[in-house]
Amino acid sequence: QDQLVQSGGEVKRPGASVKVSCKASGYKFTNYGINWVRQAPGQGLEWMGWISGYNDNTNYAQNFQGRVTMTTDTSTTTAYMELRSLRSDDTAVYYCARGPRSVVLPAPSDLWGQGTLVTVSS
Amino acid sequence: EIVTTQSPVTLSVSPGESATLSCRASESVTNNLAWYQQKPGQAPRLLIYGASTRATGIPARFSGSGSGTEFTLTISSLQSEDFAIYYCQQYHNWSPAKWTFGQGTRVEIK
Repeated sequence: QDQLVQSGGEVKRPGASVKVSCKASGYKFTNYGINWVRQAPGQGLEWMGWISGYNDNTNYAQNFQGRVTMTTDTSTTTAYMELRSLRSDDTAVYYCARGPRSVVLPAPSDLWGQGTLVTVSS
Repeated sequence: EIVTTQSPVTLSVSPGESATLSCRASESVTNNLAWYQQKPGQAPRLLIYGASTRATGIPARFSGSGSGTEFTLTISSLQSEDFAIYYCQQYHNWSPAKWTFGQGTRVEIK
């Protein structure tokens, strides 16, 4: 069945970087994109950005421009999200979610990973 | 950036009653609006997309309506498993894309 499996939890110091992986299986990776969404403790969902599994086009939310990089490896059907210059308020569960392969083909996130808790603490 | 606003923040409902949740977008997103359900410790689950189409496996008691800037999720005859937080998200085909979530509505047992 279609599945997204994320890497395990991380603990980072302020100022460090974190790279979360999202392994896709059960569907053709290049027919879709991947959204990244985060959720701080007790808070709502925040869309971080999107990457196409087809051509690596990306769109990042304004709040993360310059600090986030999303990539894919089609040979392993894995998407990655790297967030730099971490602060304590980056402590959150980070989700990957399947999305459209192109921004001109609007589609919701119909498949979600299990989430990765990233804790930023000195 | 499109702002997506949900109301109310919390909705207290008795089992068997219906619940109506609202979502408003600051600009027209046509029908590119989805609803998700999230329970504690779980990832969100897609309920409704295209403003009114139920996702695979979603019971018929969940229905969505609206277009443009005003949207509604109705849950008829609430079951115990329906008490959760519900989020709307616009995924309009802007370029560049900026797909924002509402802040969520918590549906709690009255």
